[in-house]
Amino acid sequence: NAGVTQTPKFRILKIGQSMTLQCAQDMNHNYMYWYRQDPGMGLKLIYYSVGAGITDKGEVPNGYNVSRSTTEDFPLRLELAAPSQTSVYFCASSPATYEQYFGPGTRLTVT
Amino acid sequence: KNEVEQSPQNLTAQEGEFITINCSYSVGISALHWLQQHPGGGIVSLFMLSSGKKKHGRLIATINIQEKHSSLHITASHPRDSAVYICAGGADGLTFGKGTHLIIQP
Repeated sequence: NAGVTQTPKFRILKIGQSMTLQCAQDMNHNYMYWYRQDPGMGLKLIYYSVGAGITDKGEVPNGYNVSRSTTEDFPLRLELAAPSQTSVYFCASSPATYEQYFGPGTRLTVT
Repeated sequence: KNEVEQSPQNLTAQEGEFITINCSYSVGISALHWLQQHPGGGIVSLFMLSSGKKKHGRLIATINIQEKHSSLHITASHPRDSAVYICAGGADGLTFGKGTHLIIQP
């Protein structure tokens, strides 16, 4: 199993551009999550999904959108990127409300 | 809103020392997680517990539900234990502490 994969690993965006961060898992987990990690701060939940077709907002959803059309994939969409979205983004999955498995992260810089 | 507080923020110790990292949390957390983040950035789940104590190798995690407190212990610490240790709590989505940056010197 590849576990949780994320692409790209690094990306530089200009202010106002859009992009999609990809996340996929091959463990047949129902639950998937997006977190962001800013320097000196704890990870914060952006969005989560408890199954295909179901998504819900976390602590910091503004400026982001998600979709969950399949069990495997949970892409995160950034519309009109802003410098405040410069961060490291982690995707995670879990079979239910159990131990979470994290992807390697995407380092995003918005300039 | 759930909050998770960790202490200490930074900890430097000598190889072989017994390490303790503490975590306090507010109401509403159904399970407490301990995670490890290495300098390369990857995050690994160490423990998830809702009561009692769990042990994995040299790592031990305990939780006291009444006091809303958890501890992570490392016995016979080694330089390869150097990492950021993160406490997190929640149900569907986790609320994270800011992490404890641990350095074990040879």
